[in-house]
Amino acid sequence: NAGVTQTPKFQVLKTGQSMTLQCAQDMNHNSMYWYRQDPGMGLRLIYYSASEGTTDKGEVPNGYNVSRLNKREFSLRLESAAPSQTSVYFCASSGRDTQYFGPGTRLTVL
Amino acid sequence: SQKIEQNSEALNIQEGKTATLTCNYTNYSPAYLQWYRQDPGRGPVFLLLIRENEKEKRKERLKVTFDTTLKQSLFHITASQPADSATYLCALPVLSSNTGKLIFGQGTTLQVKP
Repeated sequence: NAGVTQTPKFQVLKTGQSMTLQCAQDMNHNSMYWYRQDPGMGLRLIYYSASEGTTDKGEVPNGYNVSRLNKREFSLRLESAAPSQTSVYFCASSGRDTQYFGPGTRLTVL
Repeated sequence: SQKIEQNSEALNIQEGKTATLTCNYTNYSPAYLQWYRQDPGRGPVFLLLIRENEKEKRKERLKVTFDTTLKQSLFHITASQPADSATYLCALPVLSSNTGKLIFGQGTTLQVKP
């Protein structure tokens, strides 16, 4: 039982490049979330998915897209990376009230 | 809009003492409040959930109180140990949401010195 897994752990991009962050959970949770965490800003919700096939914007969705391909997987895509997207990205899932987080992806955009 | 405030200054205490962290919120009455622990370079880990009709909840050396009148939660770690050093986040459900969405405080870093 791996919980929530994320790939990659680290990534460096140049401005304008694209990439997809992958997230998977094996707890049969309906809800999944993508957050970014920046110093002094705390965790901010980018997108969430209440169930397979549904997604909705969070607090800071600009510059990101998501896909909930199936119940297990929820991916986050940066179409044209910008230095302001340098951050640590966390994926989480929840069955009811509590959230279970992945280990994070540290992304640097040069 | 909903707002959560945690003391941004690090809390430094001596091993064996009780650490008390504060979480204040404004502009609504949440049905519950949660506390998470985050170690450097890792994702947050759920610790405790306390509901609005519960004044206090305990788990081993952890105790959480929830004062809905003051709009405040206190998080206590008794007999603290260096291994308790981490950042502690409080979280509340997003208003008018039944999807499990949470809003997180910025966290308070606790340093327990031997």
